Amino acid sequence: SQTIHQWPATLVQPVGSPLSLECTVEGTSNPNLYWYRQAAGRGLQLLFYSVGIGQISSEVPQNLSASRPQDRQFILSSKKLLLSDSGFYLCAWASGGTNTGELFFGEGSRLTVL
Amino acid sequence: SQQGEEDPQALSIQEGENATMNCSYKTSINNLQWYRQNSGRGLVHLILIRSNEREKHSGRLRVTLDTSKKSSSLLITASRAADTASYFCATVQGGSEKLVFGKGTKLTVNP
Repeated sequence: SQTIHQWPATLVQPVGSPLSLECTVEGTSNPNLYWYRQAAGRGLQLLFYSVGIGQISSEVPQNLSASRPQDRQFILSSKKLLLSDSGFYLCAWASGGTNTGELFFGEGSRLTVL
Repeated sequence: SQQGEEDPQALSIQEGENATMNCSYKTSINNLQWYRQNSGRGLVHLILIRSNEREKHSGRLRVTLDTSKKSSSLLITASRAADTASYFCATVQGGSEKLVFGKGTKLTVNP
């Protein structure tokens, strides 16, 4: 069966510090991978998605970047965090190769920037 | 950008009542999906309806899609306290790998 792991679950970082959130998927090959951000009490904002290794589409110009060094690994990074980067970050995967069907989400990483 | 917009933003009902949530979207879609999120958790997929379908059922869930009005509704029948959660619609535009979410409806089912 397929599983998705996302870590760390909780992170408190000072303004200006770097960030690395990691997401890995098991039990599937060539998935589409996604990073979403959810502000408190709000909907999900699509940040990045990837349909293959090294292929990253950015949806919102911002202080963040994403990388996909391996087929089932998706990393969200920042060199210098801003207060506005605080939020709940969700990684998700979907079967690749077709128009997007069901997304499977990780449990999220809650980032607080102080 | 937000594609779907759920209505109402919040809904409070008693156990046993039905809950109806609506979603409107702006552009043509390949499919529309509904998800549930318990507080502080990841989202869980509930149901997917394709653009050529008009209605779909899954247990106590009923989803309708009206592409002429660019709208969908999610009906939860005989609600339970455990149905308390936020519900989101999400759309996939034709030929896209992107799933774009609305802002959600927060449902509270009182015991």
